[in-house]
Amino acid sequence: GENVEQHPSTLSVQEGDSAVIKCTYSDSASNYFPWYKQELGKRPQLIIDIRSNVGEKKDQRIAVTLNKTAKHFSLHITETQPEDSAVYFCAASETGGGNKLTFGTGTQLKVEL
Amino acid sequence: NAGVTQTPKFQVLKTGQSMTLQCAQDMNHEYMSWYRQDPGMGLRLIHYSVGAGITDQGEVPNGYNVSRSTTEDFPLRLLSAAPSQTSVYFCASRLRRTSTDTQYFGPGTRLTVL
Repeated sequence: GENVEQHPSTLSVQEGDSAVIKCTYSDSASNYFPWYKQELGKRPQLIIDIRSNVGEKKDQRIAVTLNKTAKHFSLHITETQPEDSAVYFCAASETGGGNKLTFGTGTQLKVEL
Repeated sequence: NAGVTQTPKFQVLKTGQSMTLQCAQDMNHEYMSWYRQDPGMGLRLIHYSVGAGITDQGEVPNGYNVSRSTTEDFPLRLLSAAPSQTSVYFCASRLRRTSTDTQYFGPGTRLTVL
């Protein structure tokens, strides 16, 4: 099955700086890579996703890049704000079978004033 | 739409007790799944269903049963609770079995087994 590794586990940045979270996946057939944000005590919520036929996607201050050859993808947050503080999860979806979504272990992002 | 709903929000059980975590969605989604979330381990798939009457195991299915008699409901059963099942449980759904549909999560159930 799919295996997703996520780094770093914690990330602290100053307000206004950029943050980058990286993930690698094992199954070259995976074709969908969402990113979820989870605030304390809340449910995970989708913030951006990318499909395997696209190399980069941007939505305001967040962007995701995908390198299929190297099997890694990254989340980029620019001009970070205190409300960006949360846990971020990457995930990869298998094709075929149950199309299961496998998650990374999460990154605790803290944006300091 | 209420989206994905879960009950209860909190539950405390004693070792050996049984219970059912409820999950429902009103979006006519084909695909539903259960995850558990433990510190430092992300979200791990327990069981999933690609449609009414069809269920399959995920990464960590031991100790849990599921059924899918209707499109809307996907309950998770703990037959004999163990302390290792202390966790936060999330139900999720997406429109189709196709992997590129957005997956939506319920609010979660925090379970403690003593």
